Amino acid sequence: GAVVSQHPSWVICKSGTSVKIECRSLDFQATTMFWYRQFPKQSLMLMATSNEGSKATYEQGVEKDKFLINHASLTLSTLTVTSAHPEDSSFYICSAMPRVYEQYFGPGTRLTVT
Amino acid sequence: GIQVEQSPPDLILQEGANSTLRCNFSDSVNNLQWFHQNPWGQLINLFYIPSGTKQNGRLSATTVATERYSLLYISSSQTTDSGVYFCAVQETSGSRLTFGEGTQLTVNP
Repeated sequence: GAVVSQHPSWVICKSGTSVKIECRSLDFQATTMFWYRQFPKQSLMLMATSNEGSKATYEQGVEKDKFLINHASLTLSTLTVTSAHPEDSSFYICSAMPRVYEQYFGPGTRLTVT
Repeated sequence: GIQVEQSPPDLILQEGANSTLRCNFSDSVNNLQWFHQNPWGQLINLFYIPSGTKQNGRLSATTVATERYSLLYISSSQTTDSGVYFCAVQETSGSRLTFGEGTQLTVNP
């Protein structure tokens, strides 16, 4: 149990376009999901907390207009990178909590902006 | 916010060796998790261990909450144990996890 999926696994897009990444909890409901970003050889950095039915809470320094988060249902959260630029290239990972305190992570999405 | 420090940053072992990874944190926590990030980037839950000791096969973990540290033990290491091991904690206020910088483990055959 406690499986989190992400789609796509990897994506290449041109500078200036938008990309949507989906995060799904497959065998549990999640009122809260989290989005992280990871650069090569670095740790995970929390970008935002996604709450079902309400606006996401963004960490300091994360542009909410650039990284749009929608928690459409109890099993789906989406992250849209708008007007992507090469510096947005990174590994994006989502997580969800099937139980209080314990987080499970998706396999990640590798975004390359050319 | 809470600070999380992991040591050592890098560790190279021969297959069959044992190792201990350490995680220090600066404040009281509701949650402490250990993860293994495999070469493809997937974070695999190893332990949810805010306090006490747990064992799962060749892996075990101990958290001493009063002294603000946790240890991850890997015995009889295998090449498939290679990857990055992260410790992450959740403060008593809020639900966000704060990650340490990780320990890069390489197990050579």
